[in-house]
Amino acid sequence: QVQLVESGGGLVAPGGSLRLSCAVSGFTFSNYYMSWIRQAPGKGLEWVSYISHTGSPRYNADSVKGRFTISRDNAMNSLFLQMDSLRAEDTAVYYCARDSGMVGAPLAYWGQGILVTVSS
Amino acid sequence: QTVVTQEPSLTVSPGGTVTLTCASSTGAVTSGHYANWFQQKPGQVPRALIYSTNNKHPWTPARFSGSLLGGKAALTLSGVQPEDEADYYCLLYYGDAQPWVFGGGTKLTVL
Repeated sequence: QVQLVESGGGLVAPGGSLRLSCAVSGFTFSNYYMSWIRQAPGKGLEWVSYISHTGSPRYNADSVKGRFTISRDNAMNSLFLQMDSLRAEDTAVYYCARDSGMVGAPLAYWGQGILVTVSS
Repeated sequence: QTVVTQEPSLTVSPGGTVTLTCASSTGAVTSGHYANWFQQKPGQVPRALIYSTNNKHPWTPARFSGSLLGGKAALTLSGVQPEDEADYYCLLYYGDAQPWVFGGGTKLTVL
């Protein structure tokens, strides 16, 4: 079955960096677009970034442009999110998600999420 | 900046029917926005329900349906069950510059 497991979250000071990972199993990773979505405490969902099955193209939301970088290693079945210049407003649960393979279905399968807290 | 707007909250009686809507600040929602709908219960991971306006995932209960209604994307729940109480989010596609934008969510209460 499709499994997505995030890791790498935790507490970081404002201005710091963190690298999230998403290890996948149960499907051929190199065939699917992948995304990161976040949810601040008590708030709604925000799409953060996505990457094609080959690694290009990739897109970021305006709120993280220039600070976050999405990447993938198809040989290692892993998705990454490098987060630099972190701000308090980046505090959220971060989810990785996979598309379904159908047109217009970018977020069919979700991981359990990982909490990132930006605070001094 | 593109804004996607949903009703903040709705209430429905068990067994009833309710329609949630999703509007775009750029104008009418069309099939080209590939509207998606997600359900999130408290403390749980969001679950995909509908993609490309009106297509169901294999796990989507039959009582959920998607459509375009009056220039908006719509999610209709028919024969609402108590377990349908949740937050519902829509997601719209806007092309290469900022591909996907979530709505603010609708809190559905079954009472």
